[in-house]
Amino acid sequence: AQKITQTQPGMFVQEKEAVTLDCTYDTSDPSYGLFWYKQPSSGEMIFLIYQGSYDQQNATEGRYSLNFQKARKSANLVISASQLGDSAMYFCAMREDSNYQLIWGAGTKLIIKP
Amino acid sequence: DAGVIQSPRHEVTEMGQEVTLRCKPISGHDYLFWYRQTMMRGLELLIYFNNNVPIDDSGMPEDRFSAKMPNASFSTLKIQPSEPRDSAVYFCATLAWHGYTFGSGTRLTVV
Repeated sequence: AQKITQTQPGMFVQEKEAVTLDCTYDTSDPSYGLFWYKQPSSGEMIFLIYQGSYDQQNATEGRYSLNFQKARKSANLVISASQLGDSAMYFCAMREDSNYQLIWGAGTKLIIKP
Repeated sequence: DAGVIQSPRHEVTEMGQEVTLRCKPISGHDYLFWYRQTMMRGLELLIYFNNNVPIDDSGMPEDRFSAKMPNASFSTLKIQPSEPRDSAVYFCATLAWHGYTFGSGTRLTVV
């Protein structure tokens, strides 16, 4: 069974608009962590934001925030005031605390239009 | 901190040749992971180490693949013999607390 689902293969967004990238997950482990990574065309994997399953507040890092809805098992990434440099692949990943493997979604290709 | 360092950045080799990919982890990070990324299969975990000991190698595709971590500052992923279907980007990553830090990857092309 697929554990991480990113339903948007690609998105086009106008510069300066906010963007929401969807991620749903499936786990029976009560303790887990959710990650978002950015992969620009240069290929490197850049860590953006982390949310622990027991964290009371949604994680934020600069223009990135994570809309964590535990009951719905969703962990959407919100990018405020998008910039041209935000154009990249975005991956959602989960780690169940019973092991250290990251389980990856298929990714969303985000293109910011000027 | 120089981050996770992988070498080479690009490797082109002929089918049947041995390929060795190298990774220098961040000092003090106890976990090291090798991932493979392809368009068809996305990111796949191949193997990971804890304190230089292999913990889970169930993702290693077949016996042609082997990985070692002889000390805390060095790991290798070897493919022998290489095949065209091994063409991919191979990432090394390390873990400390919650954060996984990735190297820049090695783009392998087997012709």
